Amino acid sequence: EVQLLESGGGLVQPGGSLRLSCAASGFTFSLYAMSWVRQAPGKGLEWVSTISSSGGTTYYADSVKGRFTISRDNSKNTLYVQVNSLRAEDTAVYYCAKNVGAKRGEYFQYWGQGTLVTVSS
Amino acid sequence: QSVLTQPPSASGTPGQRVTISCSGSSSNIGSKTVNWYQQLPGAAPKLLIYDDTQRPSGVPDRFSGSKSGTSASLAIRGLQSEDEADYYCAAWDGSLNGWVFGGGTKLTVL
Repeated sequence: EVQLLESGGGLVQPGGSLRLSCAASGFTFSLYAMSWVRQAPGKGLEWVSTISSSGGTTYYADSVKGRFTISRDNSKNTLYVQVNSLRAEDTAVYYCAKNVGAKRGEYFQYWGQGTLVTVSS
Repeated sequence: QSVLTQPPSASGTPGQRVTISCSGSSSNIGSKTVNWYQQLPGAAPKLLIYDDTQRPSGVPDRFSGSKSGTSASLAIRGLQSEDEADYYCAAWDGSLNGWVFGGGTKLTVL
């Protein structure tokens, strides 16, 4: 059974940083692209970033480019995103998702339960 | 403003058929496959339709997807109360080099 468990969310001041993690199990992690998708309170889904299976290729939404860095450790079956220079509009539940496919992925096959990031002073 | 356009709401009575539209452009729906996600209240999204028309195992055949040109649709026949949820379309956008979502459609079963 595929499981994706996010952690690392919390309350952070504007301009602050966090590192979110997603521990994956139930599949061969190193074969699949992985993504982060977020959802602001009461709003729709917004894609944040995707990383290829090897970690060699990354993609970012314009809204986070230069501030967020996605990475993965295939030896630990874990996906990360370093979120810097946080703004109030980054407040959201951050979901980890397993893609189908190795590069950018064809779709988001499985989703974690999410971790809440709140940016407020 | 979402790149893909969905109606904000839809509704139907039990047993009815409802459709949800998703409109895009040549850089996304017009050239890439469309996926649909269901988000039940308080839950994480779940894959409902992939590659325009395919259902993952476990998804009832009451749900179906279609695509024509730069638009896609999700149809739900035999509407049930447990179908009350938010539905999102998504596709890769070749111009933006990233994934784009529709704004979501809240389905109410009357």
